[in-house]
Amino acid sequence: GDSVTQMEGPVTLSEEAFLTINCTYTATGYPSLFWYVQYPGEGLQLLLKATKADDKGSNKGFEATYRKETTSFHLEKGSVQVSDSAVYFCALSDLPGGSYIPTFGRGTSLIVHP
Amino acid sequence: GAVVSQHPSRVICKSGTSVKIECRSLDFQATTMFWYRQFPKKSLMLMATSNEGSKATYEQGVEKDKFLINHASLTLSTLTVTSAHPEDSSFYICSAAGVGTEAFFGQGTRLTVV
Repeated sequence: GDSVTQMEGPVTLSEEAFLTINCTYTATGYPSLFWYVQYPGEGLQLLLKATKADDKGSNKGFEATYRKETTSFHLEKGSVQVSDSAVYFCALSDLPGGSYIPTFGRGTSLIVHP
Repeated sequence: GAVVSQHPSRVICKSGTSVKIECRSLDFQATTMFWYRQFPKKSLMLMATSNEGSKATYEQGVEKDKFLINHASLTLSTLTVTSAHPEDSSFYICSAAGVGTEAFFGQGTRLTVV
């Protein structure tokens, strides 16, 4: 079935550092890919998404490119802030024809120090 | 993009009472809805899948009499946690998909049972 693999956390960075959180996926169909962010004590917020190969999703300085050849959707930000500290989830949703069950990665905690 | 709304975003209830969580697709018809649960510091676990007008299909280990799912219309699914206990405290999230579309996720509901 479909699956999403994220890098283990926590990721600890200093403010203004470059961020990469790796995400790779396995899908039998043609999934849409998502990054969600969960701030402490809050629900999930959609951060960005991409619906087809080579699409780049971007929001709030974060971006991720749908790479079909490497089955990846790595999240990047050029300069992180303390306020970016949160848990980040990579997710996929397949179209009918694949397993079709929306799947989340395990989440990666990001801690940004001043 | 499609919008999925969950209500309430947070709820506190007394042990032994039942709590209902609503999941609505605001601008599309959701033929399939998925319910997830997030354990502390863990990823989201699929609880059940429901198709409009049919009984929900529960994942192994999920008590169907404890977590009642109703998907009576194409825009609304509800999850009722019956006779809630403190161990049911968790973050619950729904996801909804239309015909031939990928699924979109709600923002989640934080349930605290005291």
